[in-house]
Amino acid sequence: DAKTTQPNSMESNEEEPVHLPCNHSTISGTDYIHWYRQLPSQGPEYVIHGLTSNVNNRMASLAIAEDRKSSTLILHRATLRDAAVYYCILNTGGFKTIFGAGTRLFVKA
Amino acid sequence: EAQVTQNPRYLITVTGKKLTVTCSQNMNHEYMSWYRQDPGLGLRQIYYSMNVEVTDKGDVPEGYKVSRKEKRNFPLILESPSPNQTSLYFCASSLGRAGETQYFGPGTRLLVL
Repeated sequence: DAKTTQPNSMESNEEEPVHLPCNHSTISGTDYIHWYRQLPSQGPEYVIHGLTSNVNNRMASLAIAEDRKSSTLILHRATLRDAAVYYCILNTGGFKTIFGAGTRLFVKA
Repeated sequence: EAQVTQNPRYLITVTGKKLTVTCSQNMNHEYMSWYRQDPGLGLRQIYYSMNVEVTDKGDVPEGYKVSRKEKRNFPLILESPSPNQTSLYFCASSLGRAGETQYFGPGTRLLVL
């Protein structure tokens, strides 16, 4: 099963952009890259996903490397409400899902 | 409102006393899954179901059972709970196709004494 590797934690200042990296060197051609985040005392919530091309939505942007072995979640302007654990996972048809430890994002006011 | 619901949200029980945690979704999703979350170990998949009557093991299925008799419900059964099953449990659902988002329930915090 393909796995992902993320830094344990990152810090950002409020109102500044944040780039959260994820390595997935064993990704297969059919794996989608999904990002979820988990706020304190809540279940994970969807942030963004992509297959090959970069993606933008109202929450974030996803930049995918050309070889697909890594990706970066970009929060354009971090707010205190963005402080959470961010998970990068690979998904093929919604079957077996492996979450890594995620990156805990600290946002400083 | 589209949602995944879990009951109970909090449960304290004793070793060996059978319990069931219910999960229900109102989005007509084919795929449902159970995870447990423990400090330092992140989310680990227990069981998942691709459709009614179709289930398979995740990474940590020992000590758990599931059933999928209806599309909307996916209960998690602990036949003989033990203290090492004390954890935070999440149910999730999705359309199941490649690239589809998983929607998570609010979680059930279980303490087994």
